[in-house]
Amino acid sequence: GQQLNQSPQSMFIQEGEDVSMNCTSSSIFNTWLWYKQDPGEGPVLLIALYKAGELTSNGRLTAQFGITRKDSFLNISASIPSDVGIYFCAGINTGGFKTIFGAGTRLFVKA
Amino acid sequence: DTEVTQTPKHLVMGMTNKKSLKCEQHMGHRAMYWYKQKAKKPPELMFVYSYEKLSINESVPSRFSPECPNSSLLNLHLHALQPEDSALYLCASSQGVQTNEKLFFGSGTQLSVL
Repeated sequence: GQQLNQSPQSMFIQEGEDVSMNCTSSSIFNTWLWYKQDPGEGPVLLIALYKAGELTSNGRLTAQFGITRKDSFLNISASIPSDVGIYFCAGINTGGFKTIFGAGTRLFVKA
Repeated sequence: DTEVTQTPKHLVMGMTNKKSLKCEQHMGHRAMYWYKQKAKKPPELMFVYSYEKLSINESVPSRFSPECPNSSLLNLHLHALQPEDSALYLCASSQGVQTNEKLFFGSGTQLSVL
């Protein structure tokens, strides 16, 4: 089936640093989404991308929908301690309505 | 109201017990979902309801039985579970099941099967 390869698996950074994570697939997706999950909570949607090449920001977060429709990246600028959590990329496949999740990137921020 | 509410937050049950997980949303969403999430793994889709009808069952064992009594409520009935079924069970909703629908998740029920 369709799979998303998300990297890196984990990141340990200093407060104030910028962060970049990405997701790739061998299949085309119509929609890319980025979710964040805090411990003991469900994922919360950060950014949704609907068109190839689209670049969208949400505060310190910026995400892009790759031109080939097979990849996406998420950047976090000037990280703060509350950015700690697991970031999941997700794609919605063509011709269907299943959301497929990447394995997640665990972000640790040291104050 | 932009929340998906799940109860209970935590549940411990024996392998012979019958229990139910509940989920409620008042956003007028017509699609509701059950996901299972093991520790350090992404959510895995179990069931999708669209307009109160089951539209996807991802080959889930029959010891998990979903129910959608109305457009705002989604239940997951549990019976004769195994210890490996211990996980975080997440409910989600979306406006519909179109190809660009965003999911709104509840906080989940952390289930432990002893």
